[in-house]
Amino acid sequence: KAGVTQTPRYLIKTRGQQVTLSCSPISGHRSVSWYQQTPGQGLQFLFEYFSETQRNKGNFPGRFSGRQFSNSRSEMNVSTLELGDSALYLCASSLGTAENTEAFFGQGTRLTVV
Amino acid sequence: AQTVTQSQPEMSVQEAETVTLSCTYDTSESNYYLFWYKQPPSRQMILVIRQEAYKQQNATENRFSVNFQKAAKSFSLKISDSQLGDTAMYFCAFMKQSRGPSNNLFFGTGTRLTVIP
Repeated sequence: KAGVTQTPRYLIKTRGQQVTLSCSPISGHRSVSWYQQTPGQGLQFLFEYFSETQRNKGNFPGRFSGRQFSNSRSEMNVSTLELGDSALYLCASSLGTAENTEAFFGQGTRLTVV
Repeated sequence: AQTVTQSQPEMSVQEAETVTLSCTYDTSESNYYLFWYKQPPSRQMILVIRQEAYKQQNATENRFSVNFQKAAKSFSLKISDSQLGDTAMYFCAFMKQSRGPSNNLFFGTGTRLTVIP
């Protein structure tokens, strides 16, 4: 069974640009969450999608957005990149039910903004 | 709001010895889950162990066990017979269970564990 796949693994962008990251969840998983990991702020929740609907949202500016497709694949977009957006972005998938809360993480996308 | 505190930024342990990582949390929720995740240098977050708040029995997974003290809001991880492969960052995490499921984890700042040969 394939794990959570995030693409690309590494990305370098310039301030002001926008970026799209992709996450393919484990087959059958309907919930996809995104997290930002930085040395200063640690791991912070961005948002969660379940069955193509945003179910939860963290405390991030509107420049951060996401969506989920009918096959549960998810993308997150960051517009008008700032230096502080440099981080490891992790995606996690789960069945999304109360009975099964285990989240499986991808290896992340390392975004560097220069 | 939920907060998770890991007061030990770094720890080390001799191979085959036992080590305990501390975690405290603050929440007004009554139903929730607690987790320990491991992040090795590969960056892949791996679930180590999970505890449901309504269960009084401490969770155990092979060499890993927790000491869950709900009243004290404490959730420590004990690793027995430490192995070199246990070297990693360990994150304590909290997930509330209210109004249906959610995959929103609140993480602590992590403890870097080094197992010394």
